[in-house]
Amino acid sequence: QKEVEQNSGPLSVPEGAIASLNCTYSDRGSQSFFWYRQYSGKSPELIMSIYSNGDKEDGRFTAQLNKASQYVSLLIRDSQPSDSATYLCAVNMGAGTALIFGKGTTLSVSS
Amino acid sequence: KAGVTQTPRYLIKTRGQQVTLSCSPISGHRSVSWYQQTPGQGLQFLFEYFSETQRNKGNFPGRFSGRQFSNSRSEMNVSTLELGDSALYLCASSAGGASLHEQYFGPGTRLTVT
Repeated sequence: QKEVEQNSGPLSVPEGAIASLNCTYSDRGSQSFFWYRQYSGKSPELIMSIYSNGDKEDGRFTAQLNKASQYVSLLIRDSQPSDSATYLCAVNMGAGTALIFGKGTTLSVSS
Repeated sequence: KAGVTQTPRYLIKTRGQQVTLSCSPISGHRSVSWYQQTPGQGLQFLFEYFSETQRNKGNFPGRFSGRQFSNSRSEMNVSTLELGDSALYLCASSAGGASLHEQYFGPGTRLTVT
């Protein structure tokens, strides 16, 4: 059974702090990794994709991938109240574009 | 470029009925995937269509089916609805190439089965 695990949270950080979200996956052969943000009542929005080991930065977001440890993380620098949402980790584990999602981590940023 | 569109946005159906949901992908995208989201199970993959062919299927009963048309638009059908089918159904489109797995979601269809 292919699985993606995330801490459900809630993760609470003050405004301006760094939020660190973590995800582990079961299939060592996975090649593509994604972070989605989902606001309450809305659909998931793609915020980061990462395909190779190391860090990938986009604005305030940094995705980190360690395939040996089967671990992917998302750092949000200078967290803002508008970052309060559920963050979903998704992994492509086979042919085609089918994604396996974690249950999500709820982030709360207080002003 | 317009995003993924889904119709209808909300549906209320009775147990035993059937329902058809529609999805129009981003222009140029050839892959359409369907997901079910519930509070208990999270986001679960239903199936994926690429160039009118089902390329992947998740672990859902045969009551759930889909198809894709030559213009890449897709429909999914759920027959003999059960209370447990109440969920947000999300469609996602992707360019669909070997290394282009980024998926973009539509707003979803909220299905309530009574």
